[in-house]
Amino acid sequence: NAGVTQTPKFQVLKTGQSMTLQCAQDMNHEYMSWYRQDPGMGLRLIHYSVGAGITDQGEVPNGYNVSRSTTEDFPLRLLSAAPSQTSVYFCASSYSGTGGLDTQYFGPGTRLTVL
Amino acid sequence: AQTVTQSQPEMSVQEAETVTLSCTYDTSESNYYLFWYKQPPSRQMILVIRQEAYKQQNATENRFSVNFQKAAKSFSLKISDSQLGDTAMYFCAFMKHGYGGATNKLIFGTGTLLAVQP
Repeated sequence: NAGVTQTPKFQVLKTGQSMTLQCAQDMNHEYMSWYRQDPGMGLRLIHYSVGAGITDQGEVPNGYNVSRSTTEDFPLRLLSAAPSQTSVYFCASSYSGTGGLDTQYFGPGTRLTVL
Repeated sequence: AQTVTQSQPEMSVQEAETVTLSCTYDTSESNYYLFWYKQPPSRQMILVIRQEAYKQQNATENRFSVNFQKAAKSFSLKISDSQLGDTAMYFCAFMKHGYGGATNKLIFGTGTLLAVQP
């Protein structure tokens, strides 16, 4: 098992550019989510999905889009990058429907810089 | 809305000593989970320990244990026999209990940077 994988590890964008952060898991987890980590603010939930075809907003969804066409993949799209989106992005996955009994597995993170 | 507060931005401890990291939270839920995650310099998020709010017994995992005070809404992490590999950022996190994916959302504190000195 590769667990949760994220690509790329690092990315530099210019303001206004678009890009997709990739996240994949091979554990057949229903639940997947995206967090951003900013200095002094911990991790904050951007979007999450409870299964293929189902997504919802988290705490800080503005400027980001997601879709979930397969169980394995949960990409995060920045349509028009802004400097405020400079952050480290983490993808996480777990089984769903067990109310927290299952561990959430995190990917290694993507460090994004928007100039 | 739930909040998680970690009031110690940085802490330092000597190798082999014991250190306690503080965490308080605010919620109106009666059933929930609390977690401590470790983030070493590699940036990987690693689950250290988990506590179910309905359990009165404090969770323990080897050198890591918690002091869970439900009435005070306090959830501290004690690390015994500190090792150099314990140097990391530690995050306290809250999750509402329930069934269905919407309850899998973690709410994190701002973290405590722990340095273990040789």
